[in-house]
Amino acid sequence: GENVEQHPSTLSVQEGDSAVIKCTYSDSASNYFPWYKQELGKRPQLIIDIRSNVGEKKDQRIAVTLNKTAKHFSLHITETQPEDSAVYFCAASKGGSQGNLIFGKGTKLSVKP
Amino acid sequence: GAVVSQHPSRVICKSGTSVKIECRSLDFQATTMFWYRQFPKQSLMLMATSNEGSKATYEQGVEKDKFLINHASLTLSTLTVTSAHPEDSSFYICSASPNSGETQYFGPGTRLLVL
Repeated sequence: GENVEQHPSTLSVQEGDSAVIKCTYSDSASNYFPWYKQELGKRPQLIIDIRSNVGEKKDQRIAVTLNKTAKHFSLHITETQPEDSAVYFCAASKGGSQGNLIFGKGTKLSVKP
Repeated sequence: GAVVSQHPSRVICKSGTSVKIECRSLDFQATTMFWYRQFPKQSLMLMATSNEGSKATYEQGVEKDKFLINHASLTLSTLTVTSAHPEDSSFYICSASPNSGETQYFGPGTRLLVL
């Protein structure tokens, strides 16, 4: 079945460094790729998303790139801050379904001051 | 905009009882809502897709008679965990899409503990 692989599972960086999280997906019909940030005990928050008709999207310190040919997409966070510490989930839309998303297993990002 | 609420935020119940969780879209109409289950330090597992005015679509392995879903209006979906057992203890999160598209906004979740 459809699958989304996410790496790494944990990531520790120093404040000010960049962080990169990568995901691959298997469903060639996927055309929407959101990223969510979840702090401990709280709801997942949408931080950025990208659709298949673009290769890159940027919002301040956050950027996402998409390579449809290779079926992978990445989240880039620059100038990391301690408040960026959280679990990040990537997701890919399930082709042929009404809005269903398949989530990666998450990356726990720790930003050390 | 795109605010989703969920009630209750946490519930403790005895084994064998039923628990109802409500999910509301506060400032938009949601034709489709989704119910997820999340175990500690794990990802979001889709349980079912709730469609207003029709039966929910359950993911493989999710018992529809165990997890009853009702989507009676464009702003409310409910999940009832029937005859709850300790293994049903988990974090249940709903989400809704304001445009029947892919963008999903999540509720704050309900932490269920079955004793």
